[in-house]
Amino acid sequence: DAGVTQSPTHLIKTRGQQVTLRCSPKSGHDTVSWYQQALGQGPQFIFQYYEEEERQRGNFPDRFSGHQFPNYSSELNVNALLLGDSALYLCASSAPTGTGIAGELFFGEGSRLTVL
Amino acid sequence: AQTVTQSQPEMSVQEAETVTLSCTYDTSESNYYLFWYKQPPSRQMILVIRQEAYKQQNATENRFSVNFQKAAKSFSLKISDSQLGDTAMYFCAFMKPPALGGSQGNLIFGKGTKLSVKP
Repeated sequence: DAGVTQSPTHLIKTRGQQVTLRCSPKSGHDTVSWYQQALGQGPQFIFQYYEEEERQRGNFPDRFSGHQFPNYSSELNVNALLLGDSALYLCASSAPTGTGIAGELFFGEGSRLTVL
Repeated sequence: AQTVTQSQPEMSVQEAETVTLSCTYDTSESNYYLFWYKQPPSRQMILVIRQEAYKQQNATENRFSVNFQKAAKSFSLKISDSQLGDTAMYFCAFMKPPALGGSQGNLIFGKGTKLSVKP
């Protein structure tokens, strides 16, 4: 059973560019969340997708947007990149509410974004 | 708003010894979940242990156990018989339970404690 997979693993962009990160959730999971982890910090919640809609959002600007597809996979898009967007972007998936262990998230290995 | 505080940026322990990592949190919620996640150099977050706030009994998972003090809003992690493979960043995290019929809650993380296990 493949866990949560993310692509690409590393990428380098320049200021002002746009980036798309991809995530495939663990089999059987229907909810995908994205987190930003700056160097030496704990992850910060960006947003969550469920039933192809953004359900919850953290304190991130509109430059951060996302999408969830019918197969539950998800994309994170960041426009007009800033130096401060350099971070590890983690995707996490969870089972349908009422199944699995309540509150348990499964994480991918992340996409390391460097903005020059 | 909920906050999670880990006051120990770095800790070290000798192999086979016991170490305790501290975590405090702030919330006005009465029911919630608390977690300890481990992040080794491979970057993948791995769930170590989970505690439901309405359960008074402290959670245990093999060598890992917690001391959950709800009134004090404290949630420490004890690692017994430390192994070299325990070397990692450890994050304490808080989650509100989902609303009825709603989606999963989101995690609020502390800044982490870097644990080094020395041979």
